[in-house]
Amino acid sequence: AQRVTQPEKLLSVFKGAPVELKCNYSYSGSPELFWYVQYSRQRLQLLLRHISRESIKGFTADLNKGETSFHLKKPFAQEEDSAMYYCALKGLGQGGKLIFGQGTELSVKP
Amino acid sequence: GAVVSQHPSRVICKSGTSVKIECRSLDFQATTMFWYRQFPKQSLMLMATSNEGSKATYEQGVEKDKFLINHASLTLSTLTVTSAHPEDSSFYICSAPYFQETQYFGPGTRLLVL
Repeated sequence: AQRVTQPEKLLSVFKGAPVELKCNYSYSGSPELFWYVQYSRQRLQLLLRHISRESIKGFTADLNKGETSFHLKKPFAQEEDSAMYYCALKGLGQGGKLIFGQGTELSVKP
Repeated sequence: GAVVSQHPSRVICKSGTSVKIECRSLDFQATTMFWYRQFPKQSLMLMATSNEGSKATYEQGVEKDKFLINHASLTLSTLTVTSAHPEDSSFYICSAPYFQETQYFGPGTRLLVL
């Protein structure tokens, strides 16, 4: 079964602290993994995707197939990073549909 | 970047009435669009895949007679919640893939059924 798990519902850190939002997936094959972010009162938007191997707004995520994980990391959190973060999986040959994790609310305190 | 719009942004209706929500890709064509339902601070639950020119594909547990989807053109998909009840109150979001890669999301429609 395809599943995305984000074990933390809420993650609260202080400004400047490192952040790691966990994501584990279950998929029999080679999935594409994404992180989406939803700022307050805004639409969902793509943060990064594993095949790009890029850093966006200081965030990075590495796909670990052995651990079936795609954790999102940032070395120094900023207050403007406060948002809902969703990990998502797209399976091959499924018309592009995304399966989302439960979401993690990141709160960065001053 | 690509833009997806939804209309209306919010709607209040009486129990038993039907409500139509539109999803449009503004500057690109989308043969496929997706409809999600989101509860407050919870995940997006995929409801169905809207296919231009053919029937929608519904996820398990989603009533196709309750949530009618029509993909009439390459830029428009509609979701009609028929005989709405209070438990249908939710945030409905559509998305469309751009060049079969990144999905772009609409701003969502908040439905409140009284």
